Amino acid sequence: EVQLVESGGGLVQPGGSLRLSCAASGFTFSDHYMDWVRQAPGKGLEWVGRTRNKANRYTTEYAASVKGRFTIARDDSKNSLYLQMNSLKTEDTAVYYCCSSGSYFPWGQGTLVTVSS
Amino acid sequence: QSVLTQPPSVSAAPGQKVTISCSGSSSNIGNNYVSWYQQLAGTAPKVLIYDNNKRPSGIPDRFSGSKSGTSATLGITGLQTGDEADYYCGTWDDSLSAEVFGGGTELTVL
Repeated sequence: EVQLVESGGGLVQPGGSLRLSCAASGFTFSDHYMDWVRQAPGKGLEWVGRTRNKANRYTTEYAASVKGRFTIARDDSKNSLYLQMNSLKTEDTAVYYCCSSGSYFPWGQGTLVTVSS
Repeated sequence: QSVLTQPPSVSAAPGQKVTISCSGSSSNIGNNYVSWYQQLAGTAPKVLIYDNNKRPSGIPDRFSGSKSGTSATLGITGLQTGDEADYYCGTWDDSLSAEVFGGGTELTVL
């Protein structure tokens, strides 16, 4: 069974940092591109960024709203995806989901990040 | 303002059929696969359709997807009250080098 489990969310002050993790199981993680997608309270889905697989040199892409502040990494040996979030702003408050890019695999349950003083 | 355009809401009676449109451009829908997601209240998005018209295992054939040019459509037949949810389309945009989503469509089953 394919499973993605996010963790690491919480309350952080503006300007602070947080690192999210996503543990993958049930599929060959190393073969897949992986995305982070977020959803602010009462809003729609917003793509955060993508990491490609080893065959595509683990290249990354980011949404303009997070570029330079967020970094996506992966550890294929641990079947894990990470999102390092720095210089957090109140508008980064959202539930963050990890997912396999464009695939039929189910998304994780998400982890809530609240940026507030 | 979303890159992909969806109607904010649609409604239909139980048992009826509804379609949800997703309009884009040549740099996104016109050149890439489209996915559709269902989000029930308080839950994570669920993949309904991927690669324009494929259903994951467990998704009933009441749900269908199609694509023509720079637009995509989600169809739902035999509407049930349990289908009430928000529906999103998504695809890659070559010009933006970003995954883009529609603003979401709220389905009400009257």
